[in-house]
Amino acid sequence: DTGVSQDPRHKITKRGQNVTFRCDPISEHNRLYWYRQTLGQGPEFLTYFQNEAQLEKSRLLSDRFSAERPKGSFSTLEIQRTEQGDSAMYLCASSPTRQGTNEKLFFGSGTQLSVL
Amino acid sequence: GNSVTQMEGPVTLSEEAFLTINCTYTATGYPSLFWYVQYPGEGLQLLLKATKADDKGSNKGFEATYRKETTSFHLEKGSVQVSDSAVYFCALTAILGDTGRRALTFGSGTRLQVQP
Repeated sequence: DTGVSQDPRHKITKRGQNVTFRCDPISEHNRLYWYRQTLGQGPEFLTYFQNEAQLEKSRLLSDRFSAERPKGSFSTLEIQRTEQGDSAMYLCASSPTRQGTNEKLFFGSGTQLSVL
Repeated sequence: GNSVTQMEGPVTLSEEAFLTINCTYTATGYPSLFWYVQYPGEGLQLLLKATKADDKGSNKGFEATYRKETTSFHLEKGSVQVSDSAVYFCALTAILGDTGRRALTFGSGTRLQVQP
């Protein structure tokens, strides 16, 4: 169990540029989540995959955001035409399928995005 | 809607002091409640959980009791250590839209600093 890994750890970009983040979940975990965390706040849910199917998207996820999990393993989160308000820590988490309502998530260390 | 409110930090204590971090929640239905911890430079980790009223979650000397009558899930530890210095997040499972699926809703976090 190598844990959830995210790449890159830090990303600095200029406003208007596109960025893409990658998440590798724990290998046997079917569920994968993306959260966003701004300074002094708790993580906010963005989207959720069960295998390759994207089952939920938060209203926070504007049209500029897109997430994929093409083979049900790693996932990517792309932000197009970045804005300064997109600056945040983007967290990925995974969990095994049969958890009922317990939702024990395993989090990665996150990708810190700074939009200049 | 569903929300979690935590006491603001930082909370600064001396080693071996008693810790309480308050958490109250608002939720529809019957949520499960969690405390997650984030140590410096690491991803969030589940600390403890409780899935129904009057349940007590415990781990590493920390405890929290699911109080439905007061909608609270306060975190306590009898004797803190320097190594407990971290950010603590209270969370609950919340139903997403009309699908019945759940995701975690987090509080804003409370930073604990334990001094030797």
